[in-house]
Amino acid sequence: AQSVTQLGSHVSVSEGALVLLRCNYSSSVPPYLFWYVQYPNQGLQLLLKYTSAATLVKGINGFEAEFKKSETSFHLTKPSAHMSDAAEYFCAVKTSYDKVIFGPGTSLSVIP
Amino acid sequence: DGGITQSPKYLFRKEGQNVTLSCEQNLNHDAMYWYRQDPGQGLRLIYYSQIVNDFQKGDIAEGYSVSREKKESFPLTVTSAQKNPTAFYLCASSRTGQGGNQPQHFGDGTRLSIL
Repeated sequence: AQSVTQLGSHVSVSEGALVLLRCNYSSSVPPYLFWYVQYPNQGLQLLLKYTSAATLVKGINGFEAEFKKSETSFHLTKPSAHMSDAAEYFCAVKTSYDKVIFGPGTSLSVIP
Repeated sequence: DGGITQSPKYLFRKEGQNVTLSCEQNLNHDAMYWYRQDPGQGLRLIYYSQIVNDFQKGDIAEGYSVSREKKESFPLTVTSAQKNPTAFYLCASSRTGQGGNQPQHFGDGTRLSIL
């Protein structure tokens, strides 16, 4: 069975510091992986997706993620945090039957 | 602009009452989904549909019902059998096929509370 874990339910960084949000997955077949962002009282927005064309995936708002098969990880990073990055971030893996399994989410706080 | 519209944004339910949450999409997507979101628990799948007139139960379908009579619409009914309906409900849609890497598009949610 496929699953997703996100280490750290809450992460705080200073404005301008590196953002690192961790995601590990388990899958018996090559996975389809996604990162989404959710602002308060809104739906989820796609940040980026892994398509197997490249292990380093660039997304919107300066975020990127690296797929590491040996570590079964898909961590999300951004070199310099901005106040507007404060939100909830979800990692997700998609099964072959169009069902998506979401991680529990990581709440990112940015300290001025 | 294409997108997903959920209504109402806020909904209140009385004891013993059924309520219906609306979800409409104009993205021409085949698949549609309903999720429940509780604080600290991420998203849990209630029902999903990959084609008109067909739908499958997700992980927490008890106390909920859906219909898919039109491609654009996937309403969710929260029945009186759902004893703890207070949550944020999210509707999503996606294309199907093409290797499975199609992302989901989400509406802005409906927040349901008990009176």
